[in-house]
Amino acid sequence: AQTVTQSQPEMSVQEAETVTLSCTYDTSESDYYLFWYKQPPSRQMILVIRQEAYKQQNATENRFSVNFQKAAKSFSLKISDSQLGDAAMYFCAYTGTASKLTFGTGTRLQVTL
Amino acid sequence: SQTIHQWPATLVQPVGSPLSLECTVEGTSNPNLYWYRQAAGRGLQLLFYSVGIGQISSEVPQNLSASRPQDRQFILSSKKLLLSDSGFYLCAWSVLNRRYTEAFFGQGTRLTVV
Repeated sequence: AQTVTQSQPEMSVQEAETVTLSCTYDTSESDYYLFWYKQPPSRQMILVIRQEAYKQQNATENRFSVNFQKAAKSFSLKISDSQLGDAAMYFCAYTGTASKLTFGTGTRLQVTL
Repeated sequence: SQTIHQWPATLVQPVGSPLSLECTVEGTSNPNLYWYRQAAGRGLQLLFYSVGIGQISSEVPQNLSASRPQDRQFILSSKKLLLSDSGFYLCAWSVLNRRYTEAFFGQGTRLTVV
């Protein structure tokens, strides 16, 4: 069974600094997709970035980028130039050929002045 | 454009009463559909998912059931609610292929069982 692990329950970063959130996953599949979602206090789930496993190039979206290490089954999210609006819960998620979408337990990110 | 509707936004129900939460998707066909529950400050627990009409996979044995009577409709039900069923319920849909990959979420339903 696929599992997603986020080992950092909480992280803190100063405004304008860079922070990296960790995620590891376990799967026997070779073709799958990985996501990072942001959940602000409104609890609306917002897609931050996605990565297709067949692509070797790391995905980037403005200030957000990932470090996808397929062999190590690692998928970390880097947030550059952190802003107050980045404060939220961040969830890593996995889906494969069975279309089951599994989430990690989340990392709460605080952004300080 | 694709949209997802989930209702109601808030629900207070007595213990032992039935439950029906509905989720509908617009703008796509044959989506994968999901129901999640989220305890306060916690992660998303996958309850059910469906890859087609009448096809339901249950992830956690419990007091809940799900049905997909139409391609873009997903319903979460209970015959008799328990206090432990309280939580925030999220519906989601996804389309996964080489060209387009994303999962979209509804606004959520906050259920309080009293």
